[in-house]
Amino acid sequence: GENVEQHPSTLSVQEGDSAVIKCTYSDSASNYFPWYKQELGKRPQLIIDIRSNVGEKKDQRIAVTLNKTAKHFSLHITETQPEDSAVYFCAASNQGAQKLVFGQGTRLTINP
Amino acid sequence: KAGVTQTPRYLIKTRGQQVTLSCSPISGHRSVSWYQQTPGQGLQFLFEYFSETQRNKGNFPGRFSGRQFSNSRSEMNVSTLELGDSALYLCASGASGSYYNEQFFGPGTRLTVL
Repeated sequence: GENVEQHPSTLSVQEGDSAVIKCTYSDSASNYFPWYKQELGKRPQLIIDIRSNVGEKKDQRIAVTLNKTAKHFSLHITETQPEDSAVYFCAASNQGAQKLVFGQGTRLTINP
Repeated sequence: KAGVTQTPRYLIKTRGQQVTLSCSPISGHRSVSWYQQTPGQGLQFLFEYFSETQRNKGNFPGRFSGRQFSNSRSEMNVSTLELGDSALYLCASGASGSYYNEQFFGPGTRLTVL
C-alpha cells in the first residue's frame, strides 16, 4: 500500500525566513497531494493541495511543488510569521481526496 | 454553514468495552471519512462512507466498524477495546461531485481506554 515519509520531524526558523518540508510517496498511482496544518488542540485544516497533473501551485506565502518522477513533493512557506507555528502534515492518495495516507508530521516553530 | 461536528468530545472506557462515536458532516456533504490520530502512528485512515455505502477501507482490524445514515451522519464503533485504541478519532466530510473535494475535519473525539 501507499507509504508517505515526511522530513524533518521538527523545524525551527527565524521569523521572516523560509521553511521547507519534504515528503516522498511510494505509490506511483497517487494523484492528489494535500497539506494540512494542525494547531495545538485544533483540527487539521487544508492549507494547499496539488493534483498529479500540475508541477507547482502557489497561494500567497505558501507553495507546493511536485516531482512525479522522483515521487516527492514539498511545502514552501516564505516570510514566516509566528502564527505559522503548528504541525504540518503532508498526504497522498490514489483515490482523490477520499482515502488520504498521511506523513508523520513536522512541528514547525517560528522564533520571533 | 455549520462545520463538521463530533460527539462526544471526550470518552473514557475500560478494556473490553465497546464504544460508538458520532459524526455530523457539513450540510450537503455526502462523504464521511474517519481517521485515527496517535502520537506514535500519526493520522491513519479507517474508512470512508458515501451515500450509506462503505467506499474505502483502511488496514484496521474488524473490531473497527462504521455506518452512514440517510442524512449522511456517520457512526463508528469499536468493540472489545484495547489500550492501544486510545487516540483522537477524527472524521472528515467532503462534498460530492468532484474526486478532489477538500476534506473538512471535525474537532475529534478523544478516546481514553483504561
